[in-house]
Amino acid sequence: ETGVTQSPTHLIKTRGQQVTLRCSSQSGHNTVSWYQQALGQGPQFIFQYYREEENGRGNFPPRFSGLQFPNYSSELNVNALELDDSALYLCASSSLGGGPISTDTQYFGPGTRLTVL
Amino acid sequence: GDSVTQMEGPVTLSEEAFLTINCTYTATGYPSLFWYVQYPGEGLQLLLKATKADDKGSNKGFEATYRKETTSFHLEKGSVQVSDSAVYFCALRMNRDDKIIFGKGTRLHILP
Repeated sequence: ETGVTQSPTHLIKTRGQQVTLRCSSQSGHNTVSWYQQALGQGPQFIFQYYREEENGRGNFPPRFSGLQFPNYSSELNVNALELDDSALYLCASSSLGGGPISTDTQYFGPGTRLTVL
Repeated sequence: GDSVTQMEGPVTLSEEAFLTINCTYTATGYPSLFWYVQYPGEGLQLLLKATKADDKGSNKGFEATYRKETTSFHLEKGSVQVSDSAVYFCALRMNRDDKIIFGKGTRLHILP
């Protein structure tokens, strides 16, 4: 069973640019959640995708967007980068059942460290 | 809204000392509670969890008990090792939407 993988490991961008981060789910999982972890802080929920649809969103502006693909891998896109977007971006995969109740643990990837200059 | 508060670090202990990291939560319902650990340069790993009141989660010598009356989930270990040095996050999840809410983390240093 493969774990959650993320790419790239590190990324440096400048203000105003756009970035795409990628996540591959753990085998058999149909849900991906994205979190932003600023330095010295706990992770903050950005959004979640379940079966290719957004299934909840945290307090992040619309320039943070995402996609989930039929193989359940996912992308996080951030437009018009700001200095405060510098952080570790974590994705987590899980397996939601047929209804709204979660029945499984979220497994985290190693993260992508984004630096905005 | 729902939130988690944990003791600020860093916490520095000698090897074989007893560890307690305090965690309290605020939630409108009955959340599941978690402790995650983050080793240097790595992502988060689930350390232990408890899904209902009075449950005790345990793993690798760490324990935490879900106390509804005090809304707490303190992490304990009887004898810490240098390899336990990491950042520990207390977290909750309201089953209805699967979003995890994390505390700010507590950095633990264990001295040999």
